[in-house]
Amino acid sequence: EAGVTQFPSHSVIEKGQTVTLRCDPISGHDNLYWYRRVMGKEIKFLLHFVKESKQDESGMPNNRFLAERTGGTYSTLKVQPAELEDSGVYFCASSLRGTRSSYEQYFGPGTRLTVT
Amino acid sequence: GQQLNQSPQSMFIQEGEDVSMNCTSSSIFNTWLWYKQDPGEGPVLLIALYKAGELTSNGRLTAQFGITRKDSFLNISASIPSDVGIYFCAGQWETSGSRLTFGEGTQLTVNP
Repeated sequence: EAGVTQFPSHSVIEKGQTVTLRCDPISGHDNLYWYRRVMGKEIKFLLHFVKESKQDESGMPNNRFLAERTGGTYSTLKVQPAELEDSGVYFCASSLRGTRSSYEQYFGPGTRLTVT
Repeated sequence: GQQLNQSPQSMFIQEGEDVSMNCTSSSIFNTWLWYKQDPGEGPVLLIALYKAGELTSNGRLTAQFGITRKDSFLNISASIPSDVGIYFCAGQWETSGSRLTFGEGTQLTVNP
């Protein structure tokens, strides 16, 4: 069974540019999460989809970040315009629905974003 | 928001030694999880704990959900070189839905 995949693995962009990150969850996982790790700090929650619906977007830092999950399959996270403080590793995770299953989240390898 | 204090930040041990790391919170958590991250990879789930006092093992790894529900520890016995990596604790509390709160990680180095 394929794991969570993310594209690209690395992205270097200039301040003010736009970047779109993609995540393909494990097949059959209705829950999809985006997290971010900045500067060696803790991994922080950004948002949670259940199928195509945003269940919780309380962790999104500001309106420069837009996440979508059309059709309830893959998800994209767009940063527009990018700022220096957006640099970090963006992780996607997925899990099955269910009280305990939803906490057992499987992570992708991450996208390392560098804004210069 | 909720915060997890994970310690130590880093550990340097010899192969064969046992190691222990822990996480504490000022708030009660319903679920504790431990993940390991290898370089260039995403975190991999090691152990999930759901009940206060629960003690769970996964090979040489043992984790416990603290009785107060505000802490958890992870022990690794007889460490080997492939145990090198960053270990993260993560928790879920009552009103957080299924989103996880992570500690800052423990960087483990094992010298052969």
